[in-house]
Amino acid sequence: EVQLLESGGDLVQPGGSLRLSCVASGFTFINSGMNWVRQVPGKGLDWVAGISGDGARTYYADSVKGRFTISRDNSKNTLSLQMNSLRAEDTAVYYCAKDPYVSPLSWFDPWGQGTLVTVSS
Amino acid sequence: QSALAQPASVSGSPGQSITISCTGTSSDVGFSKYVSWYQQHPGKAPKLMIYEVDNRPSGISNRFSASKSGNTASLTISGLQTEDEADYYCASFTSSSTVIFGGGTTLTVL
Repeated sequence: EVQLLESGGDLVQPGGSLRLSCVASGFTFINSGMNWVRQVPGKGLDWVAGISGDGARTYYADSVKGRFTISRDNSKNTLSLQMNSLRAEDTAVYYCAKDPYVSPLSWFDPWGQGTLVTVSS
Repeated sequence: QSALAQPASVSGSPGQSITISCTGTSSDVGFSKYVSWYQQHPGKAPKLMIYEVDNRPSGISNRFSASKSGNTASLTISGLQTEDEADYYCASFTSSSTVIFGGGTTLTVL
């Protein structure tokens, strides 16, 4: 069974940094692109970033480009999201989601359970 | 880039059919075969219902179907059941190598 388990969500002050992790199991991690998608509580879904299976190619939403960095450690089946210069509008539940192909951004299945990031002073 | 346009809410009675539209542009829905649909129940993670415009993943009921015409994708749920009550989101790959989601549609089964 494919499983994705996020962690790292926390309360952080504006301008601060946070690193999210997603540990994957049940599939050959290097063969799948991976993505981060966020959701403000009570609002819609918002794609954040994607990374290819080998980690060579990364993609970002304009709203996070230059502040967030997606990466992966295929030896540890772990996807990460380094978030810097956090803003109040980054407050959301962050989901990691598996892509069916080596290249990301096609469709997402499955999703992790999510981790809550709150940016507030 | 603005979200794909979806109706905020739709409703139907058990056994009826409903259709949710998802309107984008020639740079996203009209551009890509990677149009997908997700179901989300309150407090739960989204679940893939349709991928690559009109394909159902294994385990998804054939009551769920989808199509695309030009810049508009559509999800149809036939034989509505109470458990179908949820939020539904469309998503599309874009010509800018990003992914854009729809604003979401709340389905109420009356």
